[in-house]
Amino acid sequence: SQQGEEDPQALSIQEGENATMNCSYKTSINNLQWYRQNSGRGLVHLILIRSNEREKHSGRLRVTLDTSKKSSSLLITASRAADTASYFCATGSSASKIIFGSGTRLSIRP
Amino acid sequence: EAGVVQSPRYKIIEKKQPVAFWCNPISGHNTLYWYLQNLGQGPELLIRYENEEAVDDSQLPKDRFSAERLKGVDSTLKIQPAELGDSAVYLCASSPGGSTGELFFGEGSRLTVL
Repeated sequence: SQQGEEDPQALSIQEGENATMNCSYKTSINNLQWYRQNSGRGLVHLILIRSNEREKHSGRLRVTLDTSKKSSSLLITASRAADTASYFCATGSSASKIIFGSGTRLSIRP
Repeated sequence: EAGVVQSPRYKIIEKKQPVAFWCNPISGHNTLYWYLQNLGQGPELLIRYENEEAVDDSQLPKDRFSAERLKGVDSTLKIQPAELGDSAVYLCASSPGGSTGELFFGEGSRLTVL
């Protein structure tokens, strides 16, 4: 079973543009994480935001969390060809489970 | 520091055959996860270990899947017998502790059942 739903399922943008992906979830969480997965590879952790935080930055990444709406967004600024990958949100709950969403496939056009 | 190591990377078998996947987590990581990932989908948890104890195996199909983590380090995931629907990528991940923290993933084992 999957907790999160990412939107959009697929996104294609021009290099240099910003990319925004959204994640909605169903139950209470302790934290929400974002991961990147290049084709045929394992997942790589990008950023973690705790349930008492509203916004977090890491380099070109900006994550927001709205617990009242049970939603999060990941913004990648000034996109590069190397950002082409699938991006997954994952929720960490008080039951100590980490459950992944279905992912957004991001494609950066040169 | 070495990352999470999985083997084999690829495995092709005929249905009804057994298969096993091995995972070596990052040294010192007490928590180990096995996830299944179907094409175009997110990872789905199969089992989570805290040291050598399986603390969450509710999603593991126990009629054909089994897992073990002897001595709380390496882990093996076995399928016997494999079915066509088991074709997927099997991902292993570990974390240092505090089960809702960052996960470190291996490259995965891609299984094709013919």
